[in-house]
Amino acid sequence: GDSVTQMEGPVTLSEEAFLTINCTYTATGYPSLFWYVQYPGEGLQLLLKATKADDKGSNKGFEATYRKETTSFHLEKGSVQVSDSAVYFCALRRTGNQFYFGTGTSLTVIP
Amino acid sequence: DTGVSQDPRHKITKRGQNVTFRCDPISEHNRLYWYRQTLGQGPEFLTYFQNEAQLEKSRLLSDRFSAERPKGSFSTLEIQRTEQGDSAMYLCASSLGSRGSYNSPLHFGNGTRLTVT
Repeated sequence: GDSVTQMEGPVTLSEEAFLTINCTYTATGYPSLFWYVQYPGEGLQLLLKATKADDKGSNKGFEATYRKETTSFHLEKGSVQVSDSAVYFCALRRTGNQFYFGTGTSLTVIP
Repeated sequence: DTGVSQDPRHKITKRGQNVTFRCDPISEHNRLYWYRQTLGQGPEFLTYFQNEAQLEKSRLLSDRFSAERPKGSFSTLEIQRTEQGDSAMYLCASSLGSRGSYNSPLHFGNGTRLTVT
């Protein structure tokens, strides 16, 4: 069945470091891919999305490219800030209306 | 856009009691979802409505769980005879979708945290 696998955390980085959070998926067909972020005490928010192969989603300095050949959607940011500390969830949506989420990766950025 | 709102934010109940949660989606959204999230895990799908029709239910949704969306606007999720294993964050999300629109993102509420003692 459809599933999403994320790198396990927690991840701790110094401010201005480069961030990569790996995400791979299993799905038949052509799913849409999403990254959601959950800040402390808040609900999940859409960070970025990509709907077809080779699409690049971007928002707030974060980027992820839909790689069909490697079934991946890795999240990257060139220079993280303390305010980026949150839990990041990779998700996919295929035909039908279920979204499948990864287990989340906790990021802490220290000054 | 006032966002998705959920009530209550927290609920503590004793095992065996019934609880009901409410979700008010974004007003123009026709799709409404319930998810459950436990510590260290991602959200798990429970059920989905398009307007007032409940179209999908997860096998996670035992017969103690029931969800309604009577007028296609707000929704309620009821858990009967709660068990300690029901302790989790219950998330509601909504989206605007039409046939074939598979890339509409979900908009989540802040969740209702249930603790069963």
